[in-house]
Amino acid sequence: NAGVMQNPRHLVRRRGQEARLRCSPMKGHSHVYWYRQLPEEGLKFMVYLQKENIIDESGMPKERFSAEFPKEGPSILRIQQVVRGDSAAYFCASSTWGGEERTEAFFGQGTRLTVV
Amino acid sequence: KQEVTQIPAALSVPEGENLVLNCSFTDSAIYNLQWFRQDPGKGLTSLLLIQSSQREQTSGRLNASLDKSSGRSTLYIAASQPGDSATYLCAGKAAGNKLTFGGGTRVLVKP
Repeated sequence: NAGVMQNPRHLVRRRGQEARLRCSPMKGHSHVYWYRQLPEEGLKFMVYLQKENIIDESGMPKERFSAEFPKEGPSILRIQQVVRGDSAAYFCASSTWGGEERTEAFFGQGTRLTVV
Repeated sequence: KQEVTQIPAALSVPEGENLVLNCSFTDSAIYNLQWFRQDPGKGLTSLLLIQSSQREQTSGRLNASLDKSSGRSTLYIAASQPGDSATYLCAGKAAGNKLTFGGGTRVLVKP
C-alpha cells in the first residue's frame, strides 16, 4: 500500500507563473489536507477536501490559491501568479474517517516550491 | 484559537540517554494528539497518535503521554540512538480534522 504520493518533489517557477502541485492519497483514503511550511516556520493548515468538496479552506490565502479533489485523479493545489513569498514546502496528508478521536493523518514527502 | 508550543526548540544528547520532548497546547478541546518525525528535506512520519480519552501510547522505544487538563503531552524516547536525530513535531487535532502544529524540537543524538 503506497503512501501519500506528491509530485513533483521540487518545482521551480518564475514570478508570475502558475504552480500546480499534485497529491494522490493513500489507497482507501477519501480525505485530503494541504499544509504549508514556510522557511524556519511551522506547518500551517491550508485546506481540507473530500472528493468533489471543499470542507474547510480557512487557511488558504483568498487570492491566487485554489484546491480541488476531483472524483477521479489526484488532488491539485494551484497557485497562480506566484510570488517569492510563495516559496515553501507544501505537504499533503490523507486520512480515512474513523471518528474525531481515531482519525490519523498520513503525510506525503512534500513539494518544495522555489520562486525565482 | 489553539496554540501549540514545543520547548526546547533544539536538544543535543549523547547516545544512550533517554529523550524527553515536551508539547503544550492552549485549548483542551482536542480530539487527539499526534507526534511526527521529520528528517531534513523529507516529509512527516507519524509516530504515535493519542486519543483524547487515552493517557498514553507506546510503540517500541517510544512512549507518549497526554494530560488534557494541564494541556501537555510528552514524548519519551528510550536509549537514544544517532538514527533518532531528526525534528519531532506534535500536532493537536480539533473538530473538523484540522491539525495545529508546534514549532518542533530539533534533536541531535551524538555517537
